[in-house]
Amino acid sequence: EAGVAQSPRYKIIEKRQSVAFWCNPISGHATLYWYQQILGQGPKLLIQFQNNGVVDDSQLPKDRFSAERLKGVDSTLKIQPAKLEDSAVYLCASSLVTGNTGANVLTFGAGSRLTVL
Amino acid sequence: AQSVTQLGSHVSVSEGALVLLRCNYSSSVPPYLFWYVQYPNQGLQLLLKYTSAATLVKGINGFEAEFKKSETSFHLTKPSAHMSDAAEYFCAVRRSSNTGKLIFGQGTTLQVKP
Repeated sequence: EAGVAQSPRYKIIEKRQSVAFWCNPISGHATLYWYQQILGQGPKLLIQFQNNGVVDDSQLPKDRFSAERLKGVDSTLKIQPAKLEDSAVYLCASSLVTGNTGANVLTFGAGSRLTVL
Repeated sequence: AQSVTQLGSHVSVSEGALVLLRCNYSSSVPPYLFWYVQYPNQGLQLLLKYTSAATLVKGINGFEAEFKKSETSFHLTKPSAHMSDAAEYFCAVRRSSNTGKLIFGQGTTLQVKP
């Protein structure tokens, strides 16, 4: 089975510029997650989709971050305008099962590393 | 609210030595607990998970973890370290909500010396 695909793998931008990351989850996985991993820290959930609906975006900085999953399959995460503190790895993950159950296992992509200068 | 604390941001062992990575959780209800490994420039890979079926959980690559409710711990061990085990390890707890949000610890970097 193909894994979670993410692109681009690396991106360098100047502050105040915009950037977009793309994620294609494992086929059939209804739940999609975007995590932010700052160097030296554990991943932090930014947004969680169930099909094309948002179920948790409580930690998404909505003044500059946006995400969509229009057809319930692939997803795009956008940052505009970027700040220095947005430098991080953006991880996409997907799961077949959702909710508080042991069967809910996340599969992660390789991540997109963003450097904001 | 659920959370995890990983004790020690860096652990260094010699090849062939015991690996012990510590994780303590905070949860008001029996939790679901996970260990993930992250190799350089890669995403996170599931090592093992605790789902209340058994307190000793065996994972991939010879790793195992024991759930100890009395100590609120879920430490990761491996009897004999291999050079290829060098990576960053994350403990995570599932939040007991409808969304099943996964909350990660800060991570522990494992260094294996020849």
